[in-house]
Amino acid sequence: DAGVIQSPRHEVTEMGQEVTLRCKPISGHDYLFWYRQTMMRGLELLIYFNNNVPIDDSGMPEDRFSAKMPNASFSTLKIQPSEPRDSAVYFCASSRSQETQYFGPGTRLLVL
Amino acid sequence: KQEVTQIPAALSVPEGENLVLNCSFTDSAIYNLQWFRQDPGKGLTSLLLIQSSQREQTSGRLNASLDKSSGRSTLYIAASQPGDSATYLCAVRRGSSNTGKLIFGQGTTLQVKP
Repeated sequence: DAGVIQSPRHEVTEMGQEVTLRCKPISGHDYLFWYRQTMMRGLELLIYFNNNVPIDDSGMPEDRFSAKMPNASFSTLKIQPSEPRDSAVYFCASSRSQETQYFGPGTRLLVL
Repeated sequence: KQEVTQIPAALSVPEGENLVLNCSFTDSAIYNLQWFRQDPGKGLTSLLLIQSSQREQTSGRLNASLDKSSGRSTLYIAASQPGDSATYLCAVRRGSSNTGKLIFGQGTTLQVKP
C-alpha cells in the first residue's frame, strides 16, 4: 500500500489566493483527518470525516477554511482567501475504525 | 478542556543510553493514548497505542506505560541509537469511545549522538 498521499508537497502563494490541498487516504480506511502543525500551536485537528461525512469541524479556524470528501478515496482542504497566518504544515491522516492513524507526508504551505 | 504536556521539549543523549520521555494530561477520562514519532519534514508514524484499561505496551526497544489516574505516560527507549533521533509526540483520545478527538502534546525532540 502506498500509504496516505498528499499533494502538493509544497505550496507557496500570495495572500488572497485560493489554496487547495489534496489527500488520498489508505484504501479501506473509513476515517480521514485534516491536521495543521505550527511551531506555536503544535498539531491541531481541523476536521475529520467518517465514511465521507464530516463529523467534527470544530477545529476549522474560520469560514475561509472548507473541506470536502466527495468519495472514499479523495478529500480536499481549501483556504479562500489565504492569509500569511495560514502558513503551516497541513497533514492528512486516515484510519480504520478510529484506531491507529496513518499520516501522510504533509503539505508545507507558505502564504506571502 | 484536555491539555497534553510533554517534558522535556528537547533532549540530547549519547548513543547507548536508556532514556524516558514524559507525557502528562489534565483529564483522566481518556479512551487511549498513542506515542508517535516524527522525522524532520515528514509525517507522523505511530509507535505504540495503549488502551485506557492497559498499563503498558512494548515494541522492540520501546516501552510505553500509562497511569490514567495520575494523568501520566512515559515512553522508555532502551539502548538508544542515532537512528532514534526524531521528535516524539504523545496524543490522548478523549472520552469513552473511539470517536473522540486526538489531542497532541507539543513533542520532545530527541538527539542521540554517536
